[in-house]
Amino acid sequence: DGGITQSPKYLFRKEGQNVTLSCEQNLNHDAMYWYRQDPGQGLRLIYYSQIVNDFQKGDIAEGYSVSREKKESFPLTVTSAQKNPTAFYLCASSPVRQGNTEAFFGQGTRLTVV
Amino acid sequence: AQTVTQSQPEMSVQEAETVTLSCTYDTSENNYYLFWYKQPPSRQMILVIRQEAYKQQNATENRFSVNFQKAAKSFSLKISDSQLGDTAMYFCAFMRISGGYNKLIFGAGTRLAVHP
Repeated sequence: DGGITQSPKYLFRKEGQNVTLSCEQNLNHDAMYWYRQDPGQGLRLIYYSQIVNDFQKGDIAEGYSVSREKKESFPLTVTSAQKNPTAFYLCASSPVRQGNTEAFFGQGTRLTVV
Repeated sequence: AQTVTQSQPEMSVQEAETVTLSCTYDTSENNYYLFWYKQPPSRQMILVIRQEAYKQQNATENRFSVNFQKAAKSFSLKISDSQLGDTAMYFCAFMRISGGYNKLIFGAGTRLAVHP
C-alpha cells in the first residue's frame, strides 16, 4: 500500500537532547513538508522540500533541522535550541505538477519533553 | 507572504442541517490551489475538497461544496445534510505553485460539532 509513515508515534525527550522524527513515503512524491500543531492552533510550517538535497525554511524553522538525502525520506531533528518542543508533528508529501497537488499526511508524532 | 485566516474558532450545527465555514486568504500570486482538510479526533488529516484558482466553477464533493470568490480572496466550505461523523477540526489551506516551490500553509482551524 502506498502511503506516508511517521515514526515513532510517541516520543519523549529530556531537556537538552536532540531527537529525530522519521518520515518516509512511497508515493513517489517530490514535495515533502513538516508541520507543528499545538493545542487549539492550526498547522504551522517548519520546513519543506521540493527535491532531493534542497529544502526551504517555513514560518517556524528556528530550533529545527532537516535533510533530504533520498526522495522517500525527510527526517526532522528537534534540537536543544528549540525551547518549547512539546507538540504534535505532522509530515506530508505531495506531487509537484499542475492538476494533482493533494497533500497526503502521516499519522503524526507526539513529542513530549520530560 | 501568504496568510490564511479562519475567523470562526468553533461552530455547531444540528444533524441534517447545513453549515458554512469561512476562510479568507491573502496572496499576490495568481496561480494557486485551495483546500479544505478535516481532522477528526484520530488526528489523521483527510482532504475534503480542492479548488484550482484558475477554475471559476466552484468545486463540489457530495455533501461538501465551496464558494470560491477569487477577487475577494474568500473560500468558504458548505456542508449540507450534516452528519455526526462530520464532527472534526476543519482547516483551510493554500498552496502556492509558482516559483518552483509548492508551499502549503494552513489556517488556525474551525472546530465543528454536529449535534443529534
